[in-house]
Amino acid sequence: DQQVKQNSPSLSVQEGRISILNCDYTNSMFDYFLWYKKYPAEGPTFLISISSIKDKNEDGRFTVFLNKSAKHLSLHIVPSQPGDSAVYFCAASAKARGSTLGRLYFGRGTQLTVWP
Amino acid sequence: DAGVTQSPTHLIKTRGQHVTLRCSPISGHKSVSWYQQVLGQGPQFIFQYYEKEERGRGNFPDRFSARQFPNYSSELNVNALLLGDSALYLCASSLVAVDIYNSPLHFGNGTRLTVT
Repeated sequence: DQQVKQNSPSLSVQEGRISILNCDYTNSMFDYFLWYKKYPAEGPTFLISISSIKDKNEDGRFTVFLNKSAKHLSLHIVPSQPGDSAVYFCAASAKARGSTLGRLYFGRGTQLTVWP
Repeated sequence: DAGVTQSPTHLIKTRGQHVTLRCSPISGHKSVSWYQQVLGQGPQFIFQYYEKEERGRGNFPDRFSARQFPNYSSELNVNALLLGDSALYLCASSLVAVDIYNSPLHFGNGTRLTVT
């Protein structure tokens, strides 16, 4: 039961252009969303997050947008750099009674390749 | 400061054997979570421990068990290994168990387990 879905397994973008990574979720109890970046042979690294009370959060070149009605979020990277090439995971958490508040539900990831 | 450290980095076991994976959280972090990442998928939640108590468990069989020690380090044990247990096992730590909003998970580089 995949509650967080990343339907694009890969994305290729030219350096300097915008990268847009998409994520959909099905559980309406999710109220906090995170993006993690993963390089080969390393663990996932926290990138940026957004609470369900917001629709946008920005941190430098990274912006996350949340559309609650569509149960959709996206990560924008502008401008994209070759060092951004990695697997990006979307994750969600539910602040609900009975749930494990520290539990994250991950998507399958999107491999981003930024070429010069 | 040292990040989350996991040992060993790689492990090869035979079906039916048991395995113990170890994790040391970031200094000051009291919560440890374990995730399993099978090739091509996102990390799946196994356990969360906080102050030596289990705070949550994912949909994994009883062959999986874990514990947390007074120094907040943790072990994940898997008995009667199956081929399907081959995966990257990730440990993550956070300051507290229930405030993921201000305390995102920090992951180690994982232990790659191969069951033959």
